[in-house]
Amino acid sequence: QKEVEQDPGPLSVPEGAIVSLNCTYSNSAFQYFMWYRQYSRKGPELLMYTYSSGNKEDGRFTAQVDKSSKYISLFIRDSQPSDSATYLCAMSSGNTGNQFYFGTGTSLTVIP
Amino acid sequence: GAVVSQHPSWVICKSGTSVKIECRSLDFQATTMFWYRQFPKQSLMLMATSNEGSKATYEQGVEKDKFLINHASLTLSTLTVTSAHPEDSSFYICSAREGGKEKLFFGSGTQLSVL
Repeated sequence: QKEVEQDPGPLSVPEGAIVSLNCTYSNSAFQYFMWYRQYSRKGPELLMYTYSSGNKEDGRFTAQVDKSSKYISLFIRDSQPSDSATYLCAMSSGNTGNQFYFGTGTSLTVIP
Repeated sequence: GAVVSQHPSWVICKSGTSVKIECRSLDFQATTMFWYRQFPKQSLMLMATSNEGSKATYEQGVEKDKFLINHASLTLSTLTVTSAHPEDSSFYICSAREGGKEKLFFGSGTQLSVL
């Protein structure tokens, strides 16, 4: 079983829609959760960073962590064509040295 | 957020030559840097982990003599692809972990094309 599972999509939505992206994980020791956005031929950009359970909001983006279900989500409100990219989840326990675990990424297209 | 600068953005070289890629953390000290390889429409593939002042730790299947990694300071790591061959053509990305924090920041990537 992979440490982190993420549906690769592709996901296609109309402009203005609410997008929900999700990852599940198996290691209950994970405490630090990140969402990255990667445009084609660019490095991933850190969008959201969350420690432990709960919600975090930043503009149109909301990150949720449910440690009891080992499930994290990223919501994008009022999606824009510029949100079209691949979204990667990542997580770490902070106790195993330098290991970060990534999902495979979800490809999102927002249609004008 | 913190900035990681990666150069060059793209490089074309002849088969048999060596290419060096630099990764710098501009506004924080990176105790650990990671190097990845990414093929089109695929996820990141971790190649190696480098800690400042120590030898890099390579993932299984990655040739340490082909992909030389140096992390001589808290702000700079380099990846040298030695005797490059066309099969080494790929998108290479570095990331840096700020000391004492569990945040990872990525460089903009380097597209390597070996002719």
